[in-house]
Amino acid sequence: EAGVAQSPRYKIIEKRQSVAFWCNPISGHATLYWYQQILGQGPKLLIQFQNNGVVDDSQLPKDRFSAERLKGVDSTLKIQPAKLEDSAVYLCASSLGQSISGNTIYFGEGSWLTVV
Amino acid sequence: KQEVTQIPAALSVPEGENLVLNCSFTDSAIYNLQWFRQDPGKGLTSLLLIQSSQREQTSGRLNASLDKSSGRSTLYIAASQPGDSATYLCAVSPNTGGFKTIFGAGTRLFVKA
Repeated sequence: EAGVAQSPRYKIIEKRQSVAFWCNPISGHATLYWYQQILGQGPKLLIQFQNNGVVDDSQLPKDRFSAERLKGVDSTLKIQPAKLEDSAVYLCASSLGQSISGNTIYFGEGSWLTVV
Repeated sequence: KQEVTQIPAALSVPEGENLVLNCSFTDSAIYNLQWFRQDPGKGLTSLLLIQSSQREQTSGRLNASLDKSSGRSTLYIAASQPGDSATYLCAVSPNTGGFKTIFGAGTRLFVKA
């Protein structure tokens, strides 16, 4: 079974530039998550989709971050304009249903962003 | 607001030792708790998931316990091996205030050969 795919793996951009990350979840998984993990910290949820609807985006900095999940499958996360403090690993994850229902969350390997 | 704390932040042990990693959470109103493993430069791999009605889960040399009333969970690793070296994170899914799974900062484990 293929895992969660993410691209690009690594990206270096200058502040005020834009960047987009792509995620393809495990086939059949209805729930998709984007997490931000800053070095030395645990992942922080940015946005959670159930199919193509947003379940939670309370911690997404909406003035610069946006995410979409068209057709309830692939998802993209965009940052525009980027700030230095956005340097982090952006982890995409998916699960059959919501984590509160006891569904295991499967993570991709992450997209590493450095803003200089 | 739910907060998850993991102690110690880092741990170094000789191979073969049994060890315990600790996780505490401030709000006992949770649906479940999960333990994850993260290798350097990689994503997270789920190790064990404990539902709020359960007290423990076991997988191979790993045993995780949950004491919801005291807001604590432990991950017990028996007969540690160098391959166990990684960061271990716990995460809780609260049953109030939304659906966010909240992670601790992790414990970095190094098992010396």
